[in-house]
Amino acid sequence: QQQVKQSPQSLIVQKGGIPIINCAYENTAFDYFPWYQQFPGKGPALLIAIRPDVSEKKEGRFTISFNKSAKQFSLHIMDSQPGDSATYFCAARGGSTLGRLYFGRGTQLTVWP
Amino acid sequence: DAGITQSPRHKVTETGTPVTLRCHQTENHRYMYWYRQDPGHGLRLIHYSYGVKDTDKGEVSDGYSVSRSKTEDFLLTLESATSSQTSVYFCAISESSNYGYTFGSGTRLTVV
Repeated sequence: QQQVKQSPQSLIVQKGGIPIINCAYENTAFDYFPWYQQFPGKGPALLIAIRPDVSEKKEGRFTISFNKSAKQFSLHIMDSQPGDSATYFCAARGGSTLGRLYFGRGTQLTVWP
Repeated sequence: DAGITQSPRHKVTETGTPVTLRCHQTENHRYMYWYRQDPGHGLRLIHYSYGVKDTDKGEVSDGYSVSRSKTEDFLLTLESATSSQTSVYFCAISESSNYGYTFGSGTRLTVV
């Protein structure tokens, strides 16, 4: 049973576009929702994270939107650049999971110049 | 990544042989995790540790064992490697259950 469902699997946008990646979860005990960015040959790196007491969080060009009632959250990348081309993972954690994160399956983003 | 080192970075091994991957951290973090990454499956948890000698299974633990005798080291052992265990393995650390992970650079394992 997949705890966090992520879509789309791949995404292609032109430079300057706003790619949006969506995630959904079922476990209402989740209370921490991070996004990770991974470049080829590297480990995932924490990009931005949100807790369910806020509906939006911005860090630079990256924004998380969070809808607690719908149990959905999404990543928006403003003014996307070719250097943003990477795989993005959403994740969730909470309850009695001893700190473990449940990951979505990832979205491969390509930004064309 | 600073503070977390995985070794080896690449390994090719034969079916049926035991293999041990090492994760070493210098951050003194309590939590350590082993994930495997495969196309179409994302990151799947193999085993994790919440303290010295305290470990638990993840969602894909069959064929794997772990040990954590010191805070800084978390070992993943493939008891008898199979081709289905060809993958990229990532170790991650976390200061507490309220924080995100820091991942290592990964080990690419090929079982032939």
